[in-house]
Amino acid sequence: ETGVTQSPTHLIKTRGQQVTLRCSSQSGHNTVSWYQQALGQGPQFIFQYYREEENGRGNFPPRFSGLQFPNYSSELNVNALELDDSALYLCASSLYSGGSYNEQFFGPGTRLTVL
Amino acid sequence: GNSVTQMEGPVTLSEEAFLTINCTYTATGYPSLFWYVQYPGEGLQLLLKATKADDKGSNKGFEATYRKETTSFHLEKGSVQVSDSAVYFCALKRIQGAQKLVFGQGTRLTINP
Repeated sequence: ETGVTQSPTHLIKTRGQQVTLRCSSQSGHNTVSWYQQALGQGPQFIFQYYREEENGRGNFPPRFSGLQFPNYSSELNVNALELDDSALYLCASSLYSGGSYNEQFFGPGTRLTVL
Repeated sequence: GNSVTQMEGPVTLSEEAFLTINCTYTATGYPSLFWYVQYPGEGLQLLLKATKADDKGSNKGFEATYRKETTSFHLEKGSVQVSDSAVYFCALKRIQGAQKLVFGQGTRLTINP
């Protein structure tokens, strides 16, 4: 069973640029969530995707957007990067079935640095 | 709104010491409560959870009890090991809606041999 994988591991961008981060869900999972973890802080929920649609969003501006593909992998896109976007971005997958979610499994994260 | 507050870190203990990391929460309704652990360079791993009042979650010698009256979910371990060194996060999740976890700020634990 393959766990949650994310790419790239590290990324450096400059202010104003755009970035795409990728996540492959754990086998058998159909839900993907993204979190932003600033240095020394707990993760903050960005949004969740189920059946290729966003079905929950945290307090993040519209320049944070995402996609979920038919194979349940996902992308996080951030436009017009700001210095405060520098963080570890975590992807988590789970199985939604029978009206409830099973345990979320987290990937190792992508470390984004904005200069 | 929903929030989680953890004790300030870092926490440094000697091997075999008793560990307590305090966690209190604010939430509407009765959320599920979790402890996650993050080892260096790795993602978050679920350590234990409790889904209703008075439930006790336990795993790898760690325990936490869901206390509705004090809105707390303190993490304890009777005898810590060097391998327990990591960052620990308390989190809650509402029963309804998206699977949105609300995390505390984390507590860095270092165990010295």
